[in-house]
Amino acid sequence: AQSVTQLDSHVSVSEGTPVLLRCNYSSSYSPSLFWYVQHPNKGLQLLLKYTSAATLVKGINGFEAEFKKSETSFHLTKPSAHMSDAAEYFCVWAGGGNKLTFGTGTQLKVEL
Amino acid sequence: DTGVSQNPRHKITKRGQNVTFRCDPISEHNRLYWYRQTLGQGPEFLTYFQNEAQLEKSRLLSDRFSAERPKGSFSTLEIQRTEQGDSAMYLCASSLVGQGGNEQYFGPGTRLTVT
Repeated sequence: AQSVTQLDSHVSVSEGTPVLLRCNYSSSYSPSLFWYVQHPNKGLQLLLKYTSAATLVKGINGFEAEFKKSETSFHLTKPSAHMSDAAEYFCVWAGGGNKLTFGTGTQLKVEL
Repeated sequence: DTGVSQNPRHKITKRGQNVTFRCDPISEHNRLYWYRQTLGQGPEFLTYFQNEAQLEKSRLLSDRFSAERPKGSFSTLEIQRTEQGDSAMYLCASSLVGQGGNEQYFGPGTRLTVT
């Protein structure tokens, strides 16, 4: 079955340092992959999407992700963390009908 | 574009009662999705509509759950004879088929607490 696995349930970084949130996918064909962010008491917001046009995808708020077929990975990165980045991040796979399959989430904590 | 709205934002009900939630999608979007999110988990797909047709239902959607989208605009999700296990955040999303990557835009959710 197609799915995504988020390798870390919690990640803690210092403000101004790089962010790496890891995601592996399992699919027999080229998938549609997304990263969504969920701030407390706010709705899910799309950060970026991969739909096979380019392997390096740039999103909002300085985030980007690289699709690596050889590693079946779609890791999310940001060069410099900001306090406002603290939230839960979901790696998401889009299947038939574009229904979304969410990973278990990674809680990002940003410390001063 | 006012975004996806959901009402109510919070609902507390007693076990055995029926509840109904409403979702208003982005106006030109033809697809509407329902998801459920329990504490500490990612959202799980429940069902989706294209216009007024319900095209798929997850096996998570027991026969106590019913969803409608009568005119292809807003949608309702009804839970009959609620159980404590139904306590969750119910999320609605909409998308426009054929627009780029068909990304889904989510509403703020309805948090259901069954006591």
